[in-house]
Amino acid sequence: NAGVMQNPRHLVRRRGQEARLRCSPVKGHSHVYWYRQLPEEGLKFMVYLQKENIIDESGMPKERFSAEFPKEGPSILRIQQVVRGDSAAYFCASSSGSLNTEAFFGQGTRLTVV
Amino acid sequence: AQSVSQHNHHVILSEAASLELGCNYSYGGTVNLFWYVQYPGQHLQLLLKYFSGDPLVKGIKGFEAEFIKSKFSFNLRKPSVQWSDTAEYFCAVNAGASGTYKYIFGTGTRLKVLA
Repeated sequence: NAGVMQNPRHLVRRRGQEARLRCSPVKGHSHVYWYRQLPEEGLKFMVYLQKENIIDESGMPKERFSAEFPKEGPSILRIQQVVRGDSAAYFCASSSGSLNTEAFFGQGTRLTVV
Repeated sequence: AQSVSQHNHHVILSEAASLELGCNYSYGGTVNLFWYVQYPGQHLQLLLKYFSGDPLVKGIKGFEAEFIKSKFSFNLRKPSVQWSDTAEYFCAVNAGASGTYKYIFGTGTRLKVLA
């Protein structure tokens, strides 16, 4: 009875490296959402994906950030050439996409850029 | 565009005090409303949700929320808080049948309950 699984839980990257964050949704869920959490700023919506499609990426920075949710495998949030300002907790959530349903959250990945 | 406002960023209460956290949303159509709680170092967990019907919604751990459509509000309440309620609370909105189903969160309210 696995919920949303995110890995790694903690990720340390040097400036300029790439960060890859993975999210496996609740079994049977086809909708995935990524959020960034910074202290005092709450949860900022980044991107909403269905299998093989990006539905809404209005919260994604225009450069260096990308996300995918392939037909097989987990959803990936990729941050290229990380900078110190990318340090945050990144949460993934999933839902069935049905009307009137809640989102289920993973434990998050805490990214630290040194 | 949908948005959520939580007016209280930090709240400090003594045990047994009553709690009310404000939440207002901005969206003209049908909405689903949620309150989530995040205990220190943990992920977000659902406290309660409103989809339709009775505007007074009861959730886990003695929490309840009231949907007032005319005020675009969904305030969270608990009659008597406990030390274990220390956490961050997030209000969220998700557009209903007409929306894209993304969940928009407020900035959160950090509640500290003093023993």
